Amino acid sequence: AQTVTQSQPEMSVQEAETVTLSCTYDTSENNYYLFWYKQPPSRQMILVIRQEAYKQQNATENRFSVNFQKAAKSFSLKISDSQLGDTAMYFCAFMKQRGNQGGKLIFGQGTELSVKP
Amino acid sequence: GAGVSQTPSNKVTEKGKYVELRCDPISGHTALYWYRQSLGQGPEFLIYFQGTGAADDSGLPNDRFFAVRPEGSVSTLKIQRTERGDSAVYLCASSLRRGGTDTQYFGPGTRLTVL
Repeated sequence: AQTVTQSQPEMSVQEAETVTLSCTYDTSENNYYLFWYKQPPSRQMILVIRQEAYKQQNATENRFSVNFQKAAKSFSLKISDSQLGDTAMYFCAFMKQRGNQGGKLIFGQGTELSVKP
Repeated sequence: GAGVSQTPSNKVTEKGKYVELRCDPISGHTALYWYRQSLGQGPEFLIYFQGTGAADDSGLPNDRFFAVRPEGSVSTLKIQRTERGDSAVYLCASSLRRGGTDTQYFGPGTRLTVL
């Protein structure tokens, strides 16, 4: 079975600074997807960034980028130029690529990020 | 366009009662997912539909939980004989198709409290 571990329950960062959130996962699959989702107090999960395991290049979306280390099964999220609106719970998630389980997200426990003015 | 909507936003019930939670996916999305999020935890997968059929219900905790999607759009999660341990936020998501290339869009969830 796949597992996702986020070892940092809480993080804080000063506005405009950079912060990195950690995630490790365990799987025997070779093809899969990894995601970071953001959940603000409104509860609505929002996709931040996606990485396909077969791609060696790290995904980037504006101020958000990942460091994907497939051999180490590590998938960290870097947020540059942090903004107050980045304050939220962040979840790392895994999805198998094939079979009828394609689509099922497996989430980590979350990291609560606070951006301080 | 409209996002995923869930009703009610909050539901308080008594132990042993029956509850229904509704999810309206984004129009045209064929895949629909239910997750349960306990306090301080990440969401846990319950069931997913491709069209009208449940393609994977491996996450349903026991036979008190049941979900339907009769016309391939709206879905209802049904919980019989509720227990205090069922208290959680129930999240629904939809995507154009199943798989990792199509983004899962989440609704705001229904917070269920069982007294």
